[in-house]
Amino acid sequence: GQNIDQPTEMTATEGAIVQINCTYQTSGFNGLFWYQQHAGEAPTFLSYNVLDGLEEKGRFSSFLSRSKGYSYLLLKELQMKDSASYLCAVIPGATNKLIFGTGTLLAVQP
Amino acid sequence: DADVTQTPRNRITKTGKRIMLECSQTKGHDRMYWYRQDPGLGLRLIYYSFDVKDINKGEISDGYSVSRQAQAKFSLSLESAIPNQTALYFCATSDWTGAYNEQFFGPGTRLTVL
Repeated sequence: GQNIDQPTEMTATEGAIVQINCTYQTSGFNGLFWYQQHAGEAPTFLSYNVLDGLEEKGRFSSFLSRSKGYSYLLLKELQMKDSASYLCAVIPGATNKLIFGTGTLLAVQP
Repeated sequence: DADVTQTPRNRITKTGKRIMLECSQTKGHDRMYWYRQDPGLGLRLIYYSFDVKDINKGEISDGYSVSRQAQAKFSLSLESAIPNQTALYFCATSDWTGAYNEQFFGPGTRLTVL
């Protein structure tokens, strides 16, 4: 079966750094995505990892360890507008379908 | 203009009614997807299509059907709506580059079945 785990909720302070973890157990692996979703809106793409290591894009970075089935999303210099759900999604094999985790709701406080 | 559009954006209907949700895209992508999102359950794949002649079931296809009328259009139908189909429905599209499958989502349709 396919299983993707993320914490349900997290709270952090404006200006701080937060790390959102994602662990996965899938029948195969062809890439991992992070999406951001504000309440009632469409998910928007943040990052993609297919090789081990860190991908940095501005205030956001994403890390992958395929041997551990583990990824994290790192958000730096948090802003109030970063309050949203963060969705981890895996392509488990050659089908290119995405399997989503249930998402982590991040609340940024002043 | 939005690249992926969905109509309607909101719909309230009654149990037993037939409902169609429509999705159109101007991105020129071959691949299109229908998801539903429920609180605490995340996004779940209903159906997907990799080209006009290709239709595939996702995780939760029971009670749903789809039609790919053209490369740019992918419709989702609920033949006889039931209350547990109340959810937020998203259409998505993607290109195929051989190594990358970023999906672009429409704005969503909020469906309520009474």
